Amino acid sequence: DAMVIQNPRYQVTQFGKPVTLSCSQTLNHNVMYWYQQKSSQAPKLLFHYYDKDFNNEADTPDNFQSRRPNTSFCFLDIRSPGLGDAAMYLCATRGGGPYNEQFFGPGTRLTVL
Amino acid sequence: GIQVEQSPPDLILQEGANSTLRCNFSDSVNNLQWFHQNPWGQLINLFYIPSGTKQNGRLSATTVATERYSLLYISSSQTTDSGVYFCAVGFLFGNEKLTFGTGTRLTIIP
Repeated sequence: DAMVIQNPRYQVTQFGKPVTLSCSQTLNHNVMYWYQQKSSQAPKLLFHYYDKDFNNEADTPDNFQSRRPNTSFCFLDIRSPGLGDAAMYLCATRGGGPYNEQFFGPGTRLTVL
Repeated sequence: GIQVEQSPPDLILQEGANSTLRCNFSDSVNNLQWFHQNPWGQLINLFYIPSGTKQNGRLSATTVATERYSLLYISSSQTTDSGVYFCAVGFLFGNEKLTFGTGTRLTIIP
């Protein structure tokens, strides 16, 4: 089945130690998104790619970076994780055009010690 | 500013009961999705419904775009329906983004 895959599902890192989260998709969708969701809150968009065009949200900290080497893969790099970055990180995709549905991966739960 | 509001914030029901969740939004939309977030944190797509009515088993949804609201109906609730339900909206000039509501936490008691 076509899907959005995230690895790892659980990630533990130490304060200040860089970490990379991975997302891949078999839907061949143009648009890929990264969201951060903290406990009891709604998902918050960090950034998205339309093909290779990168779009950063104005309030996304510089500590968060992203790479999209090809259509299928997208990475979230957290350069120096702080305790406040502990959250669920959700990847989503959408096909091209203005009216298409977003599909989410299972998420990566990040713990910062 | 752009807003998506959901009500009620919390709902506790007995198994077998019916429920209606509401989503109000502040501007014209080209996308509206309902999600169920399960206990493991995954967002499950329920409906893509920028307008009209859809049904899928015990669940149905209606969006009245001109009046800027959407309703999610759950009939004959089961314990597996428990979780958080999010409405998310793509505004007409929102550059492919979804704005999420604050969610409704549904708890179904056996």
